[in-house]
Amino acid sequence: QQPVQSPQAVILREGEDAVINCSSSKALYSVHWYRQKHGEAPVFLMILLKGGEQKGHDKISASFNEKKQQSSLYLTASQLSYSGTYFCGTEIRDNYGQNFVFGPGTRLSVLP
Amino acid sequence: NAGVTQTPKFQVLKTGQSMTLQCAQDMNHEYMSWYRQDPGMGLRLIHYSVGAGITDQGEVPNGYNVSRSTTEDFPLRLLSAAPSQTSVYFCASSYYLGTGELFFGEGSRLTVL
Repeated sequence: QQPVQSPQAVILREGEDAVINCSSSKALYSVHWYRQKHGEAPVFLMILLKGGEQKGHDKISASFNEKKQQSSLYLTASQLSYSGTYFCGTEIRDNYGQNFVFGPGTRLSVLP
Repeated sequence: NAGVTQTPKFQVLKTGQSMTLQCAQDMNHEYMSWYRQDPGMGLRLIHYSVGAGITDQGEVPNGYNVSRSTTEDFPLRLLSAAPSQTSVYFCASSYYLGTGELFFGEGSRLTVL
């Protein structure tokens, strides 16, 4: 049930771009993206609802392709503050009910 | 506005002991959930609740019990602690599952010896 994220880890220099992917074998109704700094709780970035929308704020944006059951997070002109682990969370509805599960995370390190 | 409050922040148990992790939210959220976080495994759903009196199992429910007698509180009980339950536990709440931002507590680090 857990979605798959890729890559597992990425190292960038300040100013470079990155893409983090999230895919599921089950139909998705919404996708969330969160960032977690070491020793802290995850912090919400954005939600994408069923409908294939793309959202963004500042230099972080995301897309949701419900047909492919995939979402991608785009970080452009990365800053040191972008370092952390990024998780996608997916809402799934199946015969067992409605559920919300997270991917294993992608560790992003931005170097000066 | 306190948000989601988890207690305790740290706990050490011996194998076989029981304990309860407390979670309370003051945002009138219907959805509450418990996750455990282990290195390389991300956040795995233990139990969740879509409203008072309603609970359900997540991905890794074995060894844990929950109840939801009020909208505000969602305690997680470890019945007989095992070393495999050593982890960081997060409680999270949302106004509505899926379409609302999840608000997380600060986490509870549990060590079972």
